[in-house]
Amino acid sequence: NAGVTQTPKFQVLKTGQSMTLQCAQDMNHNSMYWYRQDPGMGLRLIYYSASEGTTDKGEVPNGYNVSRLNKREFSLRLESAAPSQTSVYFCASSEGIAKNIQYFGAGTRLSVL
Amino acid sequence: KNQVEQSPQSLIILEGKNCTLQCNYTVSPFSNLRWYKQDTGRGPVSLTIMTFSENTKSNGRYTATLDADTKQSSLHITASQLSDSASYICVVNWETNAGKSTFGDGTTLTVKP
Repeated sequence: NAGVTQTPKFQVLKTGQSMTLQCAQDMNHNSMYWYRQDPGMGLRLIYYSASEGTTDKGEVPNGYNVSRLNKREFSLRLESAAPSQTSVYFCASSEGIAKNIQYFGAGTRLSVL
Repeated sequence: KNQVEQSPQSLIILEGKNCTLQCNYTVSPFSNLRWYKQDTGRGPVSLTIMTFSENTKSNGRYTATLDADTKQSSLHITASQLSDSASYICVVNWETNAGKSTFGDGTTLTVKP
């Protein structure tokens, strides 16, 4: 009964390095989301995928790209990491868009030096 | 600009006591309002979700209220337990922006024995 699984749990990057954060859900949900959470601030939506094959920008998409690989998987890529991208990243999924409960993963803690 | 403001920022109560957390929003048009609980180092977990027509919704010792006219919501916790220590986040969805939510910064609740 895994729910939403994120990998890795922790990552340290140097400025300019690239990496991909992985997210998979086993609840057969249609919609998936990527958020970032900075200390003392609310979660902010980076990108979301309403259904397989579609992706849309959220509130803070600059510096990120996403891929909805299939219904289960939604990855977030940082092409050239910057210190401002140091944050905790959460993936979430829901049965449908907007009106459904979102289920969150445990988060990926990323530090960019 | 759509905003969600939560108060207080932090709260300390004794085990067994009740407390009420507040959420005021300016999001329009409104789709639904959710309360999440986020334990330290974990992803948020849904407590309640309310649409425009719902005034009250309970989940065990948690009771959320919604006044759509004044754009206010509250989360009441009854007979608090040590495990209630967490951040409580209010989230409001925009009806015309599927997948886009505005998150409050959260209220950090500490329950002491």
